[in-house]
Formats: sequence, C-alpha cells, structure tokens
Amino acid sequence: EVQLVESGGGLVQPGGFLRLSCAASGFPFSTYWIHWVRQAPGKGLVWVSRINSDGSSTDYADSVRGRFTISRDNAKNTLYLQMNSLRAEDTAVYYCAKGITTRGGFFDYWGQGTLVTVSS
Amino acid sequence: EIVLTQSPDFQSVTPKEKVTITCRASQSVGTSLHWYQQKPDQSPKLLIKSASQSFSGVPSRFSGSGSGTDFTLTINSLEAEDAATYYCHQSSGFPITFGQGTRLEIK
Repeated sequence: EVQLVESGGGLVQPGGFLRLSCAASGFPFSTYWIHWVRQAPGKGLVWVSRINSDGSSTDYADSVRGRFTISRDNAKNTLYLQMNSLRAEDTAVYYCAKGITTRGGFFDYWGQGTLVTVSS
Repeated sequence: EIVLTQSPDFQSVTPKEKVTITCRASQSVGTSLHWYQQKPDQSPKLLIKSASQSFSGVPSRFSGSGSGTDFTLTINSLEAEDAATYYCHQSSGFPITFGQGTRLEIK
C-alpha cells in the first residue's frame, strides 16, 4: 500500500523557518518525481515544488523560489521541504504527492498533509 | 502560466442526477489534464488521469473527456458520497496549475 506521511508543520513567526518531511512507503521511492502542493485555509490547491528521482533536478513556484528548498534522501525514503523567510501567505496545509517517473504527469497518491501557520 | 477555469464554482444536485463539470485551459494542454476529488478534511484523490483514463479503484460513474483546451468530468448517477470539491490540474506547462475547484453539494 502506498503511503505518504507528512510531518514538521506548526506555528512559526513571520521571518522564521520550518522543515517539513514526507516519509514514503509502499512503492520504489527512488524511481519517482515527488511534489509539494499547498492549500491555504478554505482555498484551492497550489503547486509549490517538485524534485526528480535522484534529486538532481528541482523546480519551484515563483512565490517560494529563493525561500524554499526541496530535497530527498532516497536511502531513507523521505522528502523534505526547507522553508525559510516564512510569510503569513505561506500559511497552508502542505501535501506531498507522488508523481510519475518523468517530469509532469498526474499525482496518484497524496499524504494527509501538515499544517503550517505563520503568525506572530 | 496556463490558467485553468472550472465551471460551475458550486452546484447543488440530487442523488442519481448526472453532473458535468468543465475545465477550460488558457492554452492547449493536449491531454495532460487530470481530475481530483477532495472531501472535507481529506487530501485530494486522483479520479481521472490524462483527460480520460480512470484511475485504479475509481467508480465507473466517473469519466473524463476532452483535449486541447476544453475538458469535462462527468459523474453519472450521483451518489451522496460524491459530495466534495473537484479540481482539474494541468501538467503540460510550467508552472503546474490547478483549477479553482467546483464544490458539489448533495441535496
């Protein structure tokens, strides 16, 4: 069974930082692109970032580029999102989502999400 | 950026009704268009991939069609459990974008 379990969310002050994790199981993690997607309270889905299977290629939404860093540890089957210089508008549930073996494509499995709240 | 516009934003429907949700792209995405269902307080679930391919385990009442800029998600014989928000998603252009969502309420 494919499972993605996010952790690391919480309350942080503006300008602060957090590191989210996504532990994967049930599929060959090192073969797939993985994405982060966020959802502000009561709002729609917004793509944040993606990383290729070996971690050598990453992409970001304009709104987070330069502040967020996606990475992965294939030995630990874990994805990360380092979030720096956090802003109130970064407040959202952050989901990791399994992509396909190439750039693009659909997200066939999602984690349960972890809530990040940026507030003083 | 490719903008996806869904219609309607909200629809109140009765069980057994047939529902059609549309997603229009601001430029062609080929068939790189996917549909998700999100129930309250749950994560999104993939329904349809690549415009018309049903994802494993999805009930047969859900179907998708279209290519280029115009796409449709159809739910035949709606059931109470289909109350949710539905999103389209394009993976053709960068950045990846989602439609604004269509909330279905069951009367």
